[in-house]
Amino acid sequence: EAGVTQFPSHSVIEKGQTVTLRCDPISGHDNLYWYRRVMGKEIKFLLHFVKESKQDESGMPNNRFLAERTGGTYSTLKVQPAELEDSGVYFCASSQDYLGLAEQETQYFGPGTRLLVL
Amino acid sequence: AQKVTQAQTEISVVEKEDVTLDCVYETRDTTYYLFWYKQPPSGELVFLIRRNSFDEQNEISGRYSWNFQKSTSSFNFTITASQVVDSAVYFCALSEENTGTASKLTFGTGTRLQVTL
Repeated sequence: EAGVTQFPSHSVIEKGQTVTLRCDPISGHDNLYWYRRVMGKEIKFLLHFVKESKQDESGMPNNRFLAERTGGTYSTLKVQPAELEDSGVYFCASSQDYLGLAEQETQYFGPGTRLLVL
Repeated sequence: AQKVTQAQTEISVVEKEDVTLDCVYETRDTTYYLFWYKQPPSGELVFLIRRNSFDEQNEISGRYSWNFQKSTSSFNFTITASQVVDSAVYFCALSEENTGTASKLTFGTGTRLQVTL
């Protein structure tokens, strides 16, 4: 079974440009998450999709970030316009259906996209 | 608010030594989940273990073991007889129970483990 995949693996852009990151979750996983790690700091939550709906977007830093999940399959995260502080590693994770109060599904992560804004 | 602290930024050991990575967490919830992930040099985050707050039994998996103590809010990770392949950044994470839905992870800053020959 294929794991979570992310594209591109690296992206170098100039300040003011637009970048779109893509995440393909594990097949059948309804939950999809985006996280970001800025150099040397903790990995921080950005948002959570359940199928195509945004369940929690409390971690999105500002309106320059737009996430979509068309048809509840893959997801894109667009940064427009990019700023220097957006540099970091963007991780995507997915998990199965929430099983109820007694269980929390494990999140499986992709390899990340390393974004550098110059 | 929930918080995870990994006070050890970097640890360096010689192969075959035992090493313990510390994790201390804060949460107001009585139901929560703790995780460890490994990030090897290749960059992906690899899931190692999940533990719920009602299960304080220690767990052993090969050379890996985990010590969960609610009294001290700690979930420490020990590697016995470390190997060079254990070199990686290790992240501890916490998620709280949200009724009816899966929940985001709160991560610590990670501990970089370097195992040398």
